[in-house]
Amino acid sequence: DTEVTQTPKHLVMGMTNKKSLKCEQHMGHRAMYWYKQKAKKPPELMFVYSYEKLSINESVPSRFSPECPNSSLLNLHLHALQPEDSALYLCASSQVITYFGQGTRLTVV
Amino acid sequence: AQRVTQPEKLLSVFKGAPVELKCNYSYSGSPELFWYVQYSRQRLQLLLRHISRESIKGFTADLNKGETSFHLKKPFAQEEDSAMYYCALNTGNQFYFGTGTSLTVIP
Repeated sequence: DTEVTQTPKHLVMGMTNKKSLKCEQHMGHRAMYWYKQKAKKPPELMFVYSYEKLSINESVPSRFSPECPNSSLLNLHLHALQPEDSALYLCASSQVITYFGQGTRLTVV
Repeated sequence: AQRVTQPEKLLSVFKGAPVELKCNYSYSGSPELFWYVQYSRQRLQLLLRHISRESIKGFTADLNKGETSFHLKKPFAQEEDSAMYYCALNTGNQFYFGTGTSLTVIP
């Protein structure tokens, strides 16, 4: 199983809403990532978790809050987002090769 | 500093023509290089990694340490090859993407 599963696939939220993105992998990978991807651009790294601990935060605004409840799950909590945060949010996990989820297409209205 | 450079943002070739997508990297250690492909409305997926030296969907890529390049090549492009291609470098601590090349194969 080389799947990284993300839910939901699409999300529309208002600027005052609180929502969460979920990511799951069962490959035993110890590194998990959140990326943000705008149209026709490469993914931009947001957060890296290594062995369930946050190891890299690429100066992401605090309205994005990651959480790693266990070695298979990664969440991204969203609060008070701005319209410019609308993008495809990708989860990934890796041991040597990095595998990506399908992404959650987020629209902030 | 940009670790991975893909100089062509857009590349168009005719079906059946050879295609080469350029990638140069900057890293003083032993690089681990990959090509990822993203078809329209699909997830980013691994196409090639330099260690395996395999050919996937007719694509090959050779690591040239002297020129610090990892160009992706295919002798005869197909319409289904139209996609966004990202070169990526894994340094162990970080995973760097190039800016991507959008390949269009013209029928």
